[in-house]
This record gives sequence, C-alpha cells and structure tokens, in this order.
Amino acid sequence: KAGVTQTPRYLIKTRGQQVTLSCSPISGHRSVSWYQQTPGQGLQFLFEYFSETQRNKGNFPGRFSGRQFSNSRSEMNVSTLELGDSALYLCASSLDARAYEQYFGPGTRLTVT
Amino acid sequence: GENVEQHPSTLSVQEGDSAVIKCTYLDSASNYFPWYKQELGKGPQLIIDIRSNVGEKKDQRIAVTLNKTAKHFSLHITETQPEDSAVYFCAASRAGGGADGLTFGKGTHLIIQP
Repeated sequence: KAGVTQTPRYLIKTRGQQVTLSCSPISGHRSVSWYQQTPGQGLQFLFEYFSETQRNKGNFPGRFSGRQFSNSRSEMNVSTLELGDSALYLCASSLDARAYEQYFGPGTRLTVT
Repeated sequence: GENVEQHPSTLSVQEGDSAVIKCTYLDSASNYFPWYKQELGKGPQLIIDIRSNVGEKKDQRIAVTLNKTAKHFSLHITETQPEDSAVYFCAASRAGGGADGLTFGKGTHLIIQP
C-alpha cells in the first residue's frame, strides 16, 4: 500500500506570495493532519481534517488555511508569505476519526526569500 | 513552558549498547504517546506507541514505558545498530484520529558510534 504522498517536494517563493501544498493520504485513510517543522520551533500542529471538515486548529495565524476533498486528499494554503514561513510542511494521515496512529509523508520543503 | 519535554537533545552510544530517551508531559488528559524516528530528508516514521492504559510495550529491540503518575514516558533501544542513528521525537495527544493534534518534544539526535 502506498504511503502518504506530498507535492511538490521543494518550493521556493518570494515574500508576499501565496502557496498551495497538496497531500494524498494512505489509501482508505480519511483523516489528514498538517504540521510545520522548523529548527527553532520543532514540529507544530497546524490543523486536522476529517470528512471535509476542519476539526481542530493549532496556534497559527489566519494566513494558514486548508481544505479536504471528498476523496480525502487535502491542500493547505499560506497567503502573504513571510520569511518565517520557511519550513518543512508535513502531512499525516489516520485511518478514521478514532484511530490514534498518524503516518507522515516526506514533507514539502518551502523556502521563502 | 513546553507541554512535552524531551531529554537528552543529543545522545551518543557505542554500537551494541542501549539507548534511553525520556519525555515528560504536562497535560494529564493525554492518553496516547507515540515515538517517531526521522532520518535526514524524510518525514517522521512511527516506530512504537503506547496508550495510557498500558505501562510497557515492546517490539523487538524497541520498548516504551509509561509512568502516568509521574507523567513520564521513555524509549529504550537495545543492541543499537548504525541504522538506528536518526532524530527521535516523542509526542502526546488526548484524542484519536488526529483531532487533538500531536504535541511533540524537541527531538533527540541519536548517534551510534561504530
């Protein structure tokens, strides 16, 4: 069974631009979570989606948003990019609303210049 | 302060020796404690987890222990091998399905010396 896939793997953007990242969960998984990983702050929870609904959101500004489609694929968007948004963005999938295990994809490395 | 504290930040052990990484959590409502291994250029890989109704879990050379009273949990790796070199993260959450989000420790860089 294929794992979590994320596209693109690498991205370079300029301050003020916006970016959209994509995540396809493990086949059959319906919950998708997003995390930001930086050297200074470590791994931080962004938000989680199940059945196209955002169930929880971490402590990030409104510039960070996401959505989930009926096939469980998810996208996250960051508007008005800042230098501090440079990070590895990780997507994780879980089987359903009650499964505990989360499986991560390889991440998208975003660099903001 | 940090909701999940992890120690040490760097651990160097001789190949074949054991390695222990410790975490402490603050939220008494936490009931799920996974451990992840992250290699360079890759996403975190779930290697073992434990729920609050269990005190210990073992999978081959890897074991995790949980002390709910002290709010401590630890990762034990025995007979370490070069491929165990990586960054290890502990985490905690209160609910399944990712609804609560995982709160991660800052990570431990494990170095296996040949």
